[in-house]
Amino acid sequence: QVQLQESGPGLVKPSQTLSLTCTVSGGSISSDSYYWSWIRQPAGKGLEWIGRIYTSGSTNYNPSLKSRVTISVDTSKNQFSLRLSSVTAADTAVYYCARYNAGQHRRSFDYWGQGTLVTVSS
Amino acid sequence: DIQLTQSPSFLSASVGDRVTITCRASQGISSYLAWYQQKPGKAPKLLIYAAFTLQSGVPSRFSGSGSGTEFTLTISSLQPEDLATYYCQQLNSYPITFGQGTRLEIK
Repeated sequence: QVQLQESGPGLVKPSQTLSLTCTVSGGSISSDSYYWSWIRQPAGKGLEWIGRIYTSGSTNYNPSLKSRVTISVDTSKNQFSLRLSSVTAADTAVYYCARYNAGQHRRSFDYWGQGTLVTVSS
Repeated sequence: DIQLTQSPSFLSASVGDRVTITCRASQGISSYLAWYQQKPGKAPKLLIYAAFTLQSGVPSRFSGSGSGTEFTLTISSLQPEDLATYYCQQLNSYPITFGQGTRLEIK
């Protein structure tokens, strides 16, 4: 059973960089047909896709965040990471990592981490 | 970006009711649509992918239909544990987008 677990600071100061890591267990991050994504959800609001990475390192980001986002992968540790720069209070949210199953007729986010709350405040 | 509009945004129904949620896409997305259930304080859970394929382990009272720009999620007989917010998601093109959510209340 694939499991994902987010980790990182729960409090970040304005203008600084938010950094989170997602550790994947029960499966290889290098498996074909899977991408690895970050999604966020402000309190009481909907879901916003941040971006995704493939094991090769190829990425795709939401244009609304593209100038501030970097997603990277460390296959040796079975982890992928999110960096979001120049954060403001508007970046306060629960951040989820998820597996994107990109199989031709299976496209979906089939496994999710439990989520981690990141608060931007001085 | 492809916009997804769910209706209704809020729904109150009784145990045993048949419930339908609609998701409309701003342009055609073939069948690249998924539905998720999110219970309070929890991560979203995949219910349906490819518009109508039930994820393993999901009760058969959930079903999906549609293609192109209009999709529906149906719960055939509402159960108390179905209290949640439901989201549709398009995976036809980047950026991947979600509907705004439908909050389902049990009367």
